[in-house]
Amino acid sequence: DQQVKQNSPSLSVQEGRISILNCDYTNSMFDYFLWYKKYPAEGPTFLISISSIKDKNEDGRFTVFLNKSAKHLSLHIVPSQPGDSAVYFCAAGYNDYKLSFGAGTTVTVRA
Amino acid sequence: DGGITQSPKYLFRKEGQNVTLSCEQNLNHDAMYWYRQDPGQGLRLIYYSHIVNDFQKGDIAEGYSVSREKKESFPLTVTSAQKNPTAFYLCASSMGASGGVEQFFGPGTRLTVL
Repeated sequence: DQQVKQNSPSLSVQEGRISILNCDYTNSMFDYFLWYKKYPAEGPTFLISISSIKDKNEDGRFTVFLNKSAKHLSLHIVPSQPGDSAVYFCAAGYNDYKLSFGAGTTVTVRA
Repeated sequence: DGGITQSPKYLFRKEGQNVTLSCEQNLNHDAMYWYRQDPGQGLRLIYYSHIVNDFQKGDIAEGYSVSREKKESFPLTVTSAQKNPTAFYLCASSMGASGGVEQFFGPGTRLTVL
């Protein structure tokens, strides 16, 4: 029973343009959400998070938007750079500090 | 230089053998986690521990065992009872109840059963 879903397995975007990654969740108990970036054969690295009391959080080129009523969040990367080519995981959790992960979206930034 | 180390990077095992994957952290984090990643799938939680000498099963604990005798160490044993052990294994840690929700990951161990 997957509680966090990333329905787009891949995304291709031109360098300099915006990348938009989407994530949906089913558990209304989740109160914080995170995005991780992962290169092949490496561990994921934390990118950005958002608490359920907010609807937007920004950090440099990365912005996460949360729509609680739709149980949907998105990650915007502007502008996209070649080094952004990686797999991006959406994760969600609540007060027990466990995280549930989506299946990931592979982003390819074209020159 | 704080972080999480996992060893070895690559591990080969014959079918029917138990194998132990190492995970060490020097971040002074209370909580530690083990995940498994398979191609095209997200990270699935095997076991987690919020404090020394205590751990709980995750979503796919069957065929695995752990111990948490020291705060900085959380080894995972893949037993012969695990039906499909070939995967990429990731260890993570977080501050847990002492604050912060982010989990920090090690570089992973690729286990292949021959």
